[in-house]
Amino acid sequence: RKEVEQDPGPFNVPEGATVAFNCTYSNSASQSFFWYRQDCRKEPKLLMSVYSSGNEDGRFTAQLNRASQYISLLIRDSKLSDSATYLCVVMGSGGSYIPTFGRGTSLIVHP
Amino acid sequence: EPEVTQTPSHQVTQMGQEVILRCVPISNHLYFYWYRQILGQKVEFLVSFYNNEISEKSEIFDDQFSVERPDGSNFTLKIRSTKLEDSAMYFCASSDLGAGEKLFFGSGTQLSVL
Repeated sequence: RKEVEQDPGPFNVPEGATVAFNCTYSNSASQSFFWYRQDCRKEPKLLMSVYSSGNEDGRFTAQLNRASQYISLLIRDSKLSDSATYLCVVMGSGGSYIPTFGRGTSLIVHP
Repeated sequence: EPEVTQTPSHQVTQMGQEVILRCVPISNHLYFYWYRQILGQKVEFLVSFYNNEISEKSEIFDDQFSVERPDGSNFTLKIRSTKLEDSAMYFCASSDLGAGEKLFFGSGTQLSVL
């Protein structure tokens, strides 16, 4: 089983739609969780950290389910500028404290 | 806002040649990382560096790879004898508190091995 797994997509949604991505991780001892955004051939940029209680930042909501070992990202009112690849990052996966990246989920928002 | 800078942005080399990729992490950060991303694939961890030594490395980081922090600001990745499969985008990242803290990435060096 892969350490961090994501549905690669692409998710193709109209502007204004709500879209959700999930990410599963294999190591139950994992400690820190993040969502990064990566535009084509650019560096990953932190979108938000994911806390046990869930957290929200504007149109973005992240949640953690430790029992089922997954994290989610919800994007409301999608904008064209949200088109990107969303990377799930888990630390403490496989006994390491190194941030481990999922393959990413591609989102395409169309007019 | 402070940022991680990487040079060069593009590097083309012949197979078997040595390359050095350079990074200047954010000045007050203590943890440094190299990742790579082959086109269309995921971001893969290569090595982490703390307190002037390697703290962790992946299976990818074999004897052909080395890292250095030659002075107080630069952090370099050297590939001694490049292979075709080394062609990738190489990202440097830094963080200020290590485990559990977010990474700040440089804009990457696209390495093409011919």
